[in-house]
Amino acid sequence: EVQLAESGGDLVQPGGSLRLSCAASGFTFSDHWLDWVRQAPGKGLEWVGRIKRKIDDYVTEYAASVRGRFTISRDDSKNSLYLQMNSLKIEDAAVYYCTDLGTAFWGQGTLVTVSS
Amino acid sequence: DVVMTQSPLSLPVILGQPASISCRSSHSLMHSDGNTYLSWLQQRPGQSPRRLIYEVSKRGSGVPDRFSGYGSGTDFTLRISRVEAEDVGVYYCIQDTHWPPTFGQGTKLEIK
Repeated sequence: EVQLAESGGDLVQPGGSLRLSCAASGFTFSDHWLDWVRQAPGKGLEWVGRIKRKIDDYVTEYAASVRGRFTISRDDSKNSLYLQMNSLKIEDAAVYYCTDLGTAFWGQGTLVTVSS
Repeated sequence: DVVMTQSPLSLPVILGQPASISCRSSHSLMHSDGNTYLSWLQQRPGQSPRRLIYEVSKRGSGVPDRFSGYGSGTDFTLRISRVEAEDVGVYYCIQDTHWPPTFGQGTKLEIK
C-alpha cells in the first residue's frame, strides 16, 4: 500500500524557519518526481514546488511565491522528501501535502501556522 | 501561468441526480507528447485530496464508474452520473501540461 506521511508542521513566528519531512513507502520512491502542495485554511490548493529524479539531476522547481525562501530535497536511500522553509510569512500558513501529481499519491498533510 | 477556471463554484445536487463541473483553461492543455495532463481531484471534508480522473478521462484505481471526465483543448468536464452522499466535498481540476502546475478554484458539491 502506498503511503506518504508528512511531519514537522508547527507554530512558527514570521521570519522563522521550519523543515517538513515526508516519509514514503509502498512504491519505488526513487523513480518518482515529487511535489509539495499547500492549502491555506479554507482556501484552495496551491502548488509549491517539485523535485525530479536522480536521472533528471534532481532538478527542483518552485512557485514564484516561495522561490528563494523554500528548498526541496530528497534522500532516496531513506525514501524521504523534505521542504526547508525559511523567512516564513503569515501567508505561508497552510496544510502542506507531499504528493506525486503524476500519480494518485497524496499524504495526509501537516499544518504550518505562522503567527507572532 | 495557465489559469484554470471552474464553474460553478457551488453545486447543490439532489441525491441520485447527475452533476457536472466545468473547467476551462487559459491555454490549450494538449502537450507536445500528444497527451493532455488534466486531472480531477476530490477533497472530502477533513481529508486529503484524492485523484479521480487523470489525462482528461482515465479513471483512477478504485474510483466508481459514476465519475467520468471528458473534454479537450481548453474545455473540460467532470460528470457524476448519480450523486451519492459520499460525493460531498470540493472538486478541483489541475493541469500539469504547462509549468507551473495550476489548480482550479474548486467546486463545492453539497446535497440539496
